[in-house]
Amino acid sequence: DGGITQSPKYLFRKEGQNVTLSCEQNLNHDAMYWYRQDPGQGLRLIYYSQIVNDFQKGDIAEGYSVSREKKESFPLTVTSAQKNPTAFYLCASSGTTLGETQYFGPGTRLLVL
Amino acid sequence: QKEVEQDPGPLSVPEGAIVSLNCTYSNSAFQYFMWYRQYSRKGPELLMYTYSSGNKEDGRFTAQVDKSSKYISLFIRDSQPSDSATYLCAMDRNQAGTALIFGKGTTLSVSS
Repeated sequence: DGGITQSPKYLFRKEGQNVTLSCEQNLNHDAMYWYRQDPGQGLRLIYYSQIVNDFQKGDIAEGYSVSREKKESFPLTVTSAQKNPTAFYLCASSGTTLGETQYFGPGTRLLVL
Repeated sequence: QKEVEQDPGPLSVPEGAIVSLNCTYSNSAFQYFMWYRQYSRKGPELLMYTYSSGNKEDGRFTAQVDKSSKYISLFIRDSQPSDSATYLCAMDRNQAGTALIFGKGTTLSVSS
């Protein structure tokens, strides 16, 4: 089955700790995205990548970092600089041609201890 | 004015009701419009995808786009408790799926 997987489902972060969220897709999509979802805030774009070894900041990139070493994988690191990391994190992927749209993974809920 | 506006609700209806969910937008260049359904603690799933103005029907769901009014709607006929979810509208800034802008979502509850 083609799809997007995210792991872990729940993640706990201690103060001052960096944590990495995994996102893998087997849809052969060129583009991948990370969103943050908070209650009442909708989806806010953190980072996106349209091609391997290249990525761009979204609307709320501060305190986050990404890499795109493989087409299938787009891990997100929440660094200690992100002071309010508690949220639901969603990974998505899409093609890059006319008429494409985004498909989402199941999400990772990050909580701060 | 925000690019996309969506009433967060919550919207509560009895089973079997017709539900109307709506979004307005400000950018007349938008051509592609989407509705996603998101169950609690799950990722959004694509429900309807339409291009330009007009209607698109899929089972109990109808998506409607009125570009002249910058208004999109999702109608759910014969609503079921399983339709209880948050519905997100989305629009594509660049027509290639790589620059979506989302509404904040409307929470729907269908009671049996």
